[in-house]
Amino acid sequence: ETGVTQTPRHLVMGMTNKKSLKCEQHLGHNAMYWYKQSAKKPLELMFVYNFKEQTENNSVPSRFSPECPNSSHLFLHLHTLQPEDSALYLCASSQEPGGYNYGYTFGSGTRLTVV
Amino acid sequence: GESVGLHLPTLSVQEGDNSIINCAYSNSASDYFIWYKQESGKGPQFIIDIRSNMDKRQGQRVTVLLNKTVKHLSLQIAATQPGDSAVYFCAETPMDSSYKLIFGSGTRLLVRP
Repeated sequence: ETGVTQTPRHLVMGMTNKKSLKCEQHLGHNAMYWYKQSAKKPLELMFVYNFKEQTENNSVPSRFSPECPNSSHLFLHLHTLQPEDSALYLCASSQEPGGYNYGYTFGSGTRLTVV
Repeated sequence: GESVGLHLPTLSVQEGDNSIINCAYSNSASDYFIWYKQESGKGPQFIIDIRSNMDKRQGQRVTVLLNKTVKHLSLQIAATQPGDSAVYFCAETPMDSSYKLIFGSGTRLLVRP
């Protein structure tokens, strides 16, 4: 365990479903991130939260909706996804924005399949 | 956590040999660099970092070299072991966007027994 826990580990959903991914860290970190890792592209930054405030939305479609209720929890709400959204979704946290001093700590990811 | 299907450069080395994985970064304003290792079924794991005011940093069996002139980063792994087989990513934090880490495309390291 890295200290960043993601649930569920695997998720299969239809294009009309609504689901949520959860990320939790108890490392005392102040910044949290969502990344997408797909077969066609390397790690893509989606969202950045610093001290619970969203500081980056990397042109992510509105069918992905992040939520950060406190500095320990991060959610990614999913609705009306497309098959091309199938990927590994990784959550990460860092003590400082940008990962200075030991970088990001990643969770193991949620493998999402959209059918 | 695997990058299945992604066409990655692959480095194949004999167990016990040294490995050198290279990375070219794009932003001359980047001031912090990290190497990550990603094993199958896991998220990326921090290996070693280096700031732009340094050109070399050593860890346990790993060394990172930074050449700012040509914007090149390398990871050297001494006495490569089967457990080193993974995908390796370099990442940079641009000074003009210091709240995010930008990842490279990765290199797959295969260790032959």
